[in-house]
Amino acid sequence: QVQLQQSGPGLVKPSQTLSLTCAISGDSVSSSSTAWSWIRQSPSRGLEWLGRTYYRSRWYNDYALSVKSRITINSDTSKNLFSLQLNSVTPEDTAVYYCARGVKEIDFWGQGTLVTVSS
Amino acid sequence: QSVLTQPPSVSGAPGQRVTISCTGSSSNIGAGYDVHWYQQLPGTAPKLLIYTNNNRPSGVPDRFSGSKSGTSASLAITGLQAEDEADYYCQSYDSSLSALFGGGTKLTVL
Repeated sequence: QVQLQQSGPGLVKPSQTLSLTCAISGDSVSSSSTAWSWIRQSPSRGLEWLGRTYYRSRWYNDYALSVKSRITINSDTSKNLFSLQLNSVTPEDTAVYYCARGVKEIDFWGQGTLVTVSS
Repeated sequence: QSVLTQPPSVSGAPGQRVTISCTGSSSNIGAGYDVHWYQQLPGTAPKLLIYTNNNRPSGVPDRFSGSKSGTSASLAITGLQAEDEADYYCQSYDSSLSALFGGGTKLTVL
């Protein structure tokens, strides 16, 4: 059974960088048959896909246009995890952040991390 | 404002049938991209309910079904039960392969 365990701070100051990690068990971050995404949810924006990383002989990243200039998703094959970095955050980035697995449908989700952007 | 439009709320009595619509455009659902549905209970992550328009993952009751036509899709729930009270979201893609979600529909079991 695939499990995704998220970790990272729940409070980030405005203009700083939001960083979260997602540890994978039951699958491999370098699997060539799936993809690994970050998705966030807030009352104002609903569910919003932020981006994904996946391996197909080499690593690829796709990012949502709304955050493309501020986001980086990386993978660490030695630890079997992937991470999110979102730069220059504002209070509008306050949300529950989820890591997730899936190429088309999302079949496994992390537990979610509430990240509040506040001074 | 979500690209995929869902009604904010629907309701039904136990045992009844309800449907939730998901309206997109020629840039997403109408372009042939599949639709997936998720159920989210309070305080939990979304759970995959229907994938590729009309397929149920193992463990999802056959009371749940999906369909897709043109630029829209629908989720139907028959034999409504109290435990079905949740938020439901549709999901598809656009030509940039960005995942798109609907705004969500709150189902109330009367």
